[in-house]
Amino acid sequence: DAGITQSPRYKITETGRQVTLMCHQTWSHSYMFWYRQDLGHGLRLIYYSAAADITDKGEVPDGYVVSRSKTENFPLTLESATRSQTSVYFCASSIRGQRGGYGYTFGSGTRLTVV
Amino acid sequence: AQTVTQSQPEMSVQEAETVTLSCTYDTSENNYYLFWYKQPPSRQMILVIRQEAYKQQNATENRFSVNFQKAAKSFSLKISDSQLGDTAMYFCAFMKHKTSGSRLTFGEGTQLTVNP
Repeated sequence: DAGITQSPRYKITETGRQVTLMCHQTWSHSYMFWYRQDLGHGLRLIYYSAAADITDKGEVPDGYVVSRSKTENFPLTLESATRSQTSVYFCASSIRGQRGGYGYTFGSGTRLTVV
Repeated sequence: AQTVTQSQPEMSVQEAETVTLSCTYDTSENNYYLFWYKQPPSRQMILVIRQEAYKQQNATENRFSVNFQKAAKSFSLKISDSQLGDTAMYFCAFMKHKTSGSRLTFGEGTQLTVNP
């Protein structure tokens, strides 16, 4: 049971470059999320998706683009990386219609450094 | 919009002792869920405990328990018999009561260190 896999685990990129973080889940969960984690801010929602081809902005979407052509994949793209986007990025998923708020299943995160 | 506040950036406790982590939140919702997540150095996010707001009884999971005060909008985590493996960042989180894909709102986190 692979669950949610994120790749790469670590990435260093230069300012201005485009970079894509990958997220793949094996459970066919409808909902997927991207968060960034920064010291003093906890985790903040960047984008989320309710199903294939349905995405919406979260709290901090500027500078990011997402797509979801298939249920199992939810890549996050930084179109032109900036130093302020240096962070740890987490992908997560949850089941559609799941009453009870059992929270999310998280990937292991990607540490991105923009130099 | 919901907000979650953890006022203790860092805490430490001696092994085998008890420690309480604080969390307050602000919401106009009546039904919702609250969570504590643990993030050890491995970076993995691990669900520790969850509380349903419409349940008055405080949730417990082995050595972990919560003190849920709905009127005060407070949701503290008590760790009993602390172990070295409890050393981690702990996040409090809020979720609206919905049947579909509610978003989690996190606090800033509390770094807990358990000393031998």
